[in-house]
Amino acid sequence: GAVVSQHPSRVICKSGTSVKIECRSLDFQATTMFWYRQFPKQSLMLMATSNEGSKATYEQGVEKDKFLINHASLTLSTLTVTSAHPEDSSFYICSAVRPGLAGGVTDTQYFGPGTRLTVL
Amino acid sequence: KQEVTQIPAALSVPEGENLVLNCSFTDSAIYNLQWFRQDPGKGLTSLLLIQSSQREQTSGRLNASLDKSSGRSTLYIAASQPGDSATYLCAVKTSGSRLTFGEGTQLTVNP
Repeated sequence: GAVVSQHPSRVICKSGTSVKIECRSLDFQATTMFWYRQFPKQSLMLMATSNEGSKATYEQGVEKDKFLINHASLTLSTLTVTSAHPEDSSFYICSAVRPGLAGGVTDTQYFGPGTRLTVL
Repeated sequence: KQEVTQIPAALSVPEGENLVLNCSFTDSAIYNLQWFRQDPGKGLTSLLLIQSSQREQTSGRLNASLDKSSGRSTLYIAASQPGDSATYLCAVKTSGSRLTFGEGTQLTVNP
């Protein structure tokens, strides 16, 4: 099956620093990628939709200046958590959409392994 | 707004038992429904995907059903094993490629 990688898998940083997380689709081109956040024992919360070549679309309540998304190529999207604080500590998961033959109805999301961010 | 609910939130069973996980959604206008498995600290593994026109899908010991009109899906696990212990998430696909996830069911299979 399709493979999506995330780097790093785990990061610990000091409060106030910025952290960049990469999401790569390794064997297909993805015009759309999604970024999710997951708190312990909770489900995935969609943060934003990353579209190659255009601005990301953020979900209500997600600060776009806090969580910068760049989808510079068809295989790479990055999420930068700017001026991170302890409340930003979470598990961040990306997914990449592989287009289907019949458009949006048949496309498939493949998920990365996640990145554990801990802000001290 | 689509809302997905999973019951129970947690389940503990002895090895060998058959079990059913439940998922319900509020808006029946879905393209498909997908069941995922998530191990602690890991990403998601897709288990089964049911298109809106389908009633069920099977893979090995897993069987997922979909009743779109009533907004319900079940995941049936036969002859459960300790290796099945994980969190099971259901997600529905609505507009475009968006997935809406349930809160998950944390399953523990005791040897």
